Amino acid sequence: ETGVTQSPTHLIKTRGQQVTLRCSSQSGHNTVSWYQQALGQGPQFIFQYYREEENGRGNFPPRFSGLQFPNYSSELNVNALELDDSALYLCASSISEAGDQPQHFGDGTRLSIL
Amino acid sequence: GESVGLHLPTLSVQEGDNSIINCAYSNSASDYFIWYKQESGKGPQFIIDIRSNMDKRQGQRVTVLLNKTVKHLSLQIAATQPGDSAVYFCAENSGGYQKVTFGTGTKLQVIP
Repeated sequence: ETGVTQSPTHLIKTRGQQVTLRCSSQSGHNTVSWYQQALGQGPQFIFQYYREEENGRGNFPPRFSGLQFPNYSSELNVNALELDDSALYLCASSISEAGDQPQHFGDGTRLSIL
Repeated sequence: GESVGLHLPTLSVQEGDNSIINCAYSNSASDYFIWYKQESGKGPQFIIDIRSNMDKRQGQRVTVLLNKTVKHLSLQIAATQPGDSAVYFCAENSGGYQKVTFGTGTKLQVIP
């Protein structure tokens, strides 16, 4: 069974740029969620995708957007990068969109904004 | 690797002792609770979950207790080992979708 994989592992950008992060879900999982984790804090929910549509969103501005593809892989896009966007971005997949099953996380992409 | 344990509450236990990590959750409507373990440079790893219609659930060396009256969750680790050293997060789900809210985390240090 292949787990959740994310790419790249590390990325450095400058303010104002745009970034795309990628995630491959665990085999058999149809739901993917993205989280932002600042240093020393717990992950913060960004949004969830199910059947290629966003079906839940946390307190993040519209410049955070995503996609889910037919093979259940996903992208997180962030426009107009700000210094506070520096964080670990985590992708998690699940067999259920209903929130009643555990999520399985990848090891994240570490994004640094200069 | 990245440190996820900066400025977090820390619990230090002797190897072989039992560990108890506590968590206060915020939403009385939450109906599903999960404990995750996060090692430095890694993503959170699922440990055990419990639903709101239960007050106790046991796994291998771990037990989760849920007290809905006071909105409290605890994780007990039996015979703590050096490999248990990590940051532990409780998480609650109160939405119909995967809107999981994580707690602030507790760093567990196992003393050999």
